[in-house]
Amino acid sequence: QQQVKQSPQSLIVQKGGISIINCAYENTAFDYFPWYQQFPGKGPALLIAIRPDVSEKKEGRFTISFNKSAKQFSLHIMDSQPGDSATYFCAARGNKLIFGTGTRLQVFP
Amino acid sequence: DGGITQSPKYLFRKEGQNVTLSCEQNLNHDAMYWYRQDPGQGLRLIYYSQIVNDFQKGDIAEGYSVSREKKESFPLTVTSAQKNPTAFYLCASSPNTGELFFGEGSRLTVL
Repeated sequence: QQQVKQSPQSLIVQKGGISIINCAYENTAFDYFPWYQQFPGKGPALLIAIRPDVSEKKEGRFTISFNKSAKQFSLHIMDSQPGDSATYFCAARGNKLIFGTGTRLQVFP
Repeated sequence: DGGITQSPKYLFRKEGQNVTLSCEQNLNHDAMYWYRQDPGQGLRLIYYSQIVNDFQKGDIAEGYSVSREKKESFPLTVTSAQKNPTAFYLCASSPNTGELFFGEGSRLTVL
């Protein structure tokens, strides 16, 4: 019940395309759902986050869609760029932050 | 600059040796965390501390030890009891908002 399941494990997208990463959870007590972006050899950094009382949050090209009834949330990257190539982690917070297993995104020109 | 500093960035260790990874923050955050990152397994919590002189085990604490004598510092010792210590170790801190701020990591390789 404490797990966060993330898919796909890896994703290849052409420049200008849409990248979509999905996460699912079981614990309805989770109250905060962030996405972290990690470049090779660096620590993760917060990209965007959402709370369960909101169904969508957009920041620039990045959008979180949140479906409370389905216990799923997803990250959409519009107009994907080669500079977006990184590993993305979803997470959910109960009494601590639980991370998904990560998605390696590669955007080719 | 405010942030989290981890050192060393790369560390090699022989089997049977203890090593200590340093983590220092000047963000004035109360909470600090240590995560281990392995390919395909995401971030797994080793230990965390919410206040000075107090810390709790995370999901994979066996073979590790920590101390929190100062607010700014949260060193992690990887002991010889850790059976598979080769990994990328990440330190993080957090204010009350819940957002984690990560350091750049330390890569430990056991020879």
